Formats: sequence, C-alpha cells, structure tokens
Amino acid sequence: GAVVSQHPSRVICKSGTSVKIECRSLDFQATTMFWYRQFPKQSLMLMATSNEGSKATYEQGVEKDKFLINHASLTLSTLTVTSAHPEDSSFYICSASRGGSYNSPLHFGNGTRLTVT
Amino acid sequence: AQSVTQLDSHVSVSEGTPVLLRCNYSSSYSPSLFWYVQHPNKGLQLLLKYTSAATLVKGINGFEAEFKKSETSFHLTKPSAHMSDAAEYFCVVTGFGGATNKLIFGTGTLLAVQP
Repeated sequence: GAVVSQHPSRVICKSGTSVKIECRSLDFQATTMFWYRQFPKQSLMLMATSNEGSKATYEQGVEKDKFLINHASLTLSTLTVTSAHPEDSSFYICSASRGGSYNSPLHFGNGTRLTVT
Repeated sequence: AQSVTQLDSHVSVSEGTPVLLRCNYSSSYSPSLFWYVQHPNKGLQLLLKYTSAATLVKGINGFEAEFKKSETSFHLTKPSAHMSDAAEYFCVVTGFGGATNKLIFGTGTLLAVQP
C-alpha cells in the first residue's frame, strides 16, 4: 500500500537554529502534501498545503516566514522551522494524497517530534 | 461551517467488552467522515471512512461506524476491545467542498483498555 515516510522522527535543537523535516511519498506521486501540527494532548491543526512546483498555501495564523515549505518534486516536501524557539516544540505530521479527488485517501507520515531547548 | 465534536476525551473499557467512541458533526453539505487512530508518537492510520455510500461502514481491526444523518453522528464501535486498541482516536470531517486538504479533526478520544 501507499506509504509516506517522514524524517527525522525525533529532533532536538537549540533555540535560534533551523530544522528541516522531510516528507516523502514512497510509492506514489503526490502533487499535494499537507503539514499538520499537534500540541500535546490536542488535535491536529492544518498548517499549510504544499503544492508541487508552486508556493505553499498557509492557514490563517501560520507564519510563512517561520515555517518554510518546499515541494520541489512529486515525492518530496520539506518543512523548515527557521530560528526555532521553545514554543515551536511540537509534533509535526505530514500527509499526502495519491489522487486528486476529494475522495482520495490521505496517507500520514509517522510524525516528527521537535524539541527546542 | 464544518466541525466535529468528540464527546469524550477519555474512554476506559475492559478487555473483551464493547467500545463506543462518540462523534457528532456539523456540516453545511453532505460530508465525508473518517476515523483515524494514532498510537503514541506515531502517525495516523485510517480506520474507516464514510463517503455517502453505505451508512454502516466497516473498517480495519473490527471497528465500524454508522452514519446517522438525523442525529448528525458518526460513532465508532467495536464489539470486543483488545489491549492493542489502546490509542487515541480522531473523528475527522472534510472541509468546505469536500476537499481532503481541509480535514477538520476532532479533539480526540484517548481509549484505555484495562486487562
């Protein structure tokens, strides 16, 4: 079946540094990928929609200059948390849709636990 | 506007007893509804989905859910809980226009299974 790989699974970084998270669709092409953020004991919140070959679409309240998204190929989207601060510590999850219809199932990565010290 | 409400933040059952996780939705059009499960520090796995076909939807691992339009509900059930079912469960509705890129998640229900 379809698999979405997310890397790294865990990362600890110092305040002020940048962290890149990769999301790959392993056996299908994904023109659209999605990035979610999950705070402890809370639900997932959509941060942005990553579109292959064009700019990402950010949800209201998400700083596009802080959370840089690049979708350079049909199988890879990256999320870079720039100048990370402790409040950016969270669980980030990506997802990808194999097809283009609203009915297409989403496949989720296993998430990245970011801790900023 | 589209939204889902998961009525219980925590549910605890004994192994072998039935599971009921409640979800109510609000949608201005015919929604697609999903249940996802998340084990600790893992991504989400799709349990089942409703997309305007049969109202009783069967999913993986013995779970099923029934879409009840009159009650705007999509409760998740399983006849007999297993220890491995302990996880967090999310009820999800598609956003405006039914696009999968606008999934709206409920706040989750943490299921504990006691031996």
